[in-house]
Amino acid sequence: GENVEQHPSTLSVQEGDSAVIKCTYSDSASNYFPWYKQELGKRPQLIIDIRSNVGEKKDQRIAVTLNKTAKHFSLHITETQPEDSAVYFCAASTPSSLMEYGNKLVFGAGTILRVKS
Amino acid sequence: DTAVSQTPKYLVTQMGNDKSIKCEQNLGHDTMYWYKQDSKKFLKIMFSYNNKELIINETVPNRFSPKSPDKAHLNLHINSLELGDSAVYFCASSQSGLAGPYEQYFGPGTRLTVT
Repeated sequence: GENVEQHPSTLSVQEGDSAVIKCTYSDSASNYFPWYKQELGKRPQLIIDIRSNVGEKKDQRIAVTLNKTAKHFSLHITETQPEDSAVYFCAASTPSSLMEYGNKLVFGAGTILRVKS
Repeated sequence: DTAVSQTPKYLVTQMGNDKSIKCEQNLGHDTMYWYKQDSKKFLKIMFSYNNKELIINETVPNRFSPKSPDKAHLNLHINSLELGDSAVYFCASSQSGLAGPYEQYFGPGTRLTVT
């Protein structure tokens, strides 16, 4: 089955700097890669996602890049702010015969991002 | 106006007891999920249901039994609770269809503590 590895496990940056979190996946058939942000004691919330037919996607200060050949994808946050401090999870979804009934997300282990002001 | 809701938010119980967690979504989604987040924050899918039918059943002990009375509700019943069941359980929902995959919306979580 799919396996997702995420690095680094913790990341500290100064406010205003950029942060990059990287994930690799094992199943070359995976076609959907969401990123979730989870603040302390809260629910995971989608911040950006990318599908395998796209190499890069950007939404204001957040961008995701996908390299299908190398089977890795990355989250880039520019001009970090203290409110960006949270745990970030990458995930991958592999098509299956049951995909029309929903999708199975396999998550990375998470990255604790601390933005120091 | 809550999209995905869960009750209770906190659940403290003793080993051997049976407990249930309820989940409801008002997004009109066809698919609902249960995830377990352990003490190391690792998120792992347990089950998914589509229109009341079980779709995904990961290698979860059969002490865990999901039930979906309708497509807006997915409950999780746990028998004979063990210390290792202590975790945060998240319900989620999404649209379904061949044009997917679709974003999964998570509930606020239920923190289960087994003593």
